[in-house]
Amino acid sequence: EADIYQTPRYLVIGTGKKITLECSQTMGHDKMYWYQQDPGMELHLIHYSYGVNSTEKGDLSSESTVSRIRTEHFPLTLESARPSHTSQYLCASSDGRLNQPQHFGDGTRLSIL
Amino acid sequence: RKEVEQDPGPFNVPEGATVAFNCTYSNSASQSFFWYRQDCRKEPKLLMSVYSSGNEDGRFTAQLNRASQYISLLIRDSKLSDSATYLCVVNVPSGTYKYIFGTGTRLKVLA
Repeated sequence: EADIYQTPRYLVIGTGKKITLECSQTMGHDKMYWYQQDPGMELHLIHYSYGVNSTEKGDLSSESTVSRIRTEHFPLTLESARPSHTSQYLCASSDGRLNQPQHFGDGTRLSIL
Repeated sequence: RKEVEQDPGPFNVPEGATVAFNCTYSNSASQSFFWYRQDCRKEPKLLMSVYSSGNEDGRFTAQLNRASQYISLLIRDSKLSDSATYLCVVNVPSGTYKYIFGTGTRLKVLA
């Protein structure tokens, strides 16, 4: 069982609030990822990190930002939430070796009113 | 053209049936291949990695065809609990080292 945790699992919040979605892993993985997924739709990579102090934007443009100050922690922040940010956010990690898969957290389902 | 393509389905099959999904990839430098299962509103979970010689895990068999650039997943003796979306994932060890996801194939196993 993969040891990657996301909090909160569900968040319903009003427009304009600052939000931080937490993601932590205890596997010592260097590589971490954030995906956004709407119901019934495909996964879209929005951010990734190859290690401490390394972050890159993914394929889908996102107004969110990320930081990687510690290996195990990869939080995602929305400075001012809007209804268009309503979605499921999935965090994943991998150790980066050939043939090693990604492991996903349970996800955060975010609803902005 | 998408880097990883899957038939979205849905595939509706009766219990006990054998069903196969294909997934094609466009980058010939792709090195690692995986099948994930995703239930509705849940996170993707690794079903199996796909090895060059093909591999089996119980009722599930995965194959890789590098010449034609596709991977396949065969499910034998389908169970109701197999109903889910099956995601094909390809990894290209370039500088970015990202995992490329297919859109998924939806399977419904009917009683």
